[in-house]
Amino acid sequence: AQTVTQSQPEMSVQEAETVTLSCTYDTSESDYYLFWYKQPPSRQMILVIRQEAYKQQNATENRFSVNFQKAAKSFSLKISDSQLGDAAMYFCAYRSAVGGSQGNLIFGKGTKLSVKP
Amino acid sequence: DARVTQTPRHKVTEMGQEVTMRCQPILGHNTVFWYRQTMMQGLELLAYFRNRAPLDDSGMPKDRFSAEMPDATLATLKIQPSEPRDSAVYFCAISPESLDTQYFGPGTRLTVL
Repeated sequence: AQTVTQSQPEMSVQEAETVTLSCTYDTSESDYYLFWYKQPPSRQMILVIRQEAYKQQNATENRFSVNFQKAAKSFSLKISDSQLGDAAMYFCAYRSAVGGSQGNLIFGKGTKLSVKP
Repeated sequence: DARVTQTPRHKVTEMGQEVTMRCQPILGHNTVFWYRQTMMQGLELLAYFRNRAPLDDSGMPKDRFSAEMPDATLATLKIQPSEPRDSAVYFCAISPESLDTQYFGPGTRLTVL
């Protein structure tokens, strides 16, 4: 069974600085997808970024980028120029691509990010 | 996400009562997932449907939980009878047929007293 581990329960960053959230996963599959979701106090789950395992190029969405290391099974999220609105819980998630798409997500326990003004 | 709505947003009920939660995906999103979020267990899958047929409900306590999708724009999750340990946030998520990404509804916060 696949597992996702987020080893940092809480992180803190100064506004305008850069922070990296860690995520590792365990799988025997070669084809899968990885995601980062953000959950602010409103508890809405918001997709931040996605990565296909077959792509070597790291995904980027504006101030958010990932460092995907497939061999190491590592998928970290970098937030540049941190803003107060980035304060939230961040969840790393894995989805198998075996048998086509539409499989369920497996989540890590989350990292609570605080942004200091 | 505007692709899916959930009702009610909050529900407080007493132990033993029936609870029904609704998820309304926009047409074209043919896979619907139910997740539960608790402090102890985090986010975990309860069940999911594709083209209205249940594909996996192994995460659901069968004796009290039931999930259905009566039509393409409505999915329901029922708990009968409810127990205090069912208190959690229940999310519905949808996945467009052509994409691999899941989009979440706003969630239903359930409190069972």
